[in-house]
Amino acid sequence: DAEITQSPRHKITETGRQVTLACHQTWNHNNMFWYRQDLGHGLRLIHYSYGVQDTNKGEVSDGYSVSRSNTEDLPLTLESAASSQTSVYFCASSESVAGEQFFGPGTRLTVL
Amino acid sequence: GQNIDQPTEMTATEGAIVQINCTYQTSGFNGLFWYQQHAGEAPTFLSYNVLDGLEEKGRFSSFLSRSKGYSYLLLKELQMKDSASYLCAVAYSGAGSYQLTFGKGTKLSVIP
Repeated sequence: DAEITQSPRHKITETGRQVTLACHQTWNHNNMFWYRQDLGHGLRLIHYSYGVQDTNKGEVSDGYSVSRSNTEDLPLTLESAASSQTSVYFCASSESVAGEQFFGPGTRLTVL
Repeated sequence: GQNIDQPTEMTATEGAIVQINCTYQTSGFNGLFWYQQHAGEAPTFLSYNVLDGLEEKGRFSSFLSRSKGYSYLLLKELQMKDSASYLCAVAYSGAGSYQLTFGKGTKLSVIP
């Protein structure tokens, strides 16, 4: 069955380190998204991509970057982790730009 | 910007009916989604409304009034497993992009 996976599921890192969170989907969806979820804020869009070599900034993109070299993967990189980036990160994909989004299981990141 | 309001918490009794409201202010409106999220899990798609009116899907129904900037999710014959957070998400488009903005979610507790 097609699915969307994220790794690692949990990570603890130190301030200033570079961190990459992986997202892999097997639906062959062109559209992929990264969100963070924090208490009191709900889900907020970090970056999104409509296809290979396409990346766009979302509402809270500062301190994050993405790259899209193939259809299946959209890794999220924290260039220099900060304590404010402690959060749960969800990756999602959709078949059409306006269609329902399918979410991965999430990565809980703690920055000490 | 986009502004979405929904109640923070609600409690309802098993077997009863509950209505979760969502009001929004947005430009470039392109539909409204409802997602369910159990604690510690990923959001999962429940419904999508782009035209005014009621969409029914089993025990769950969703209503949209675009002129009032208002939607609700109706859950009938509540079951204990319906205890979860319910996320209202407004889709909007503009400047060549299409994005979802999520509300902060309504935590529903179903009691015996």
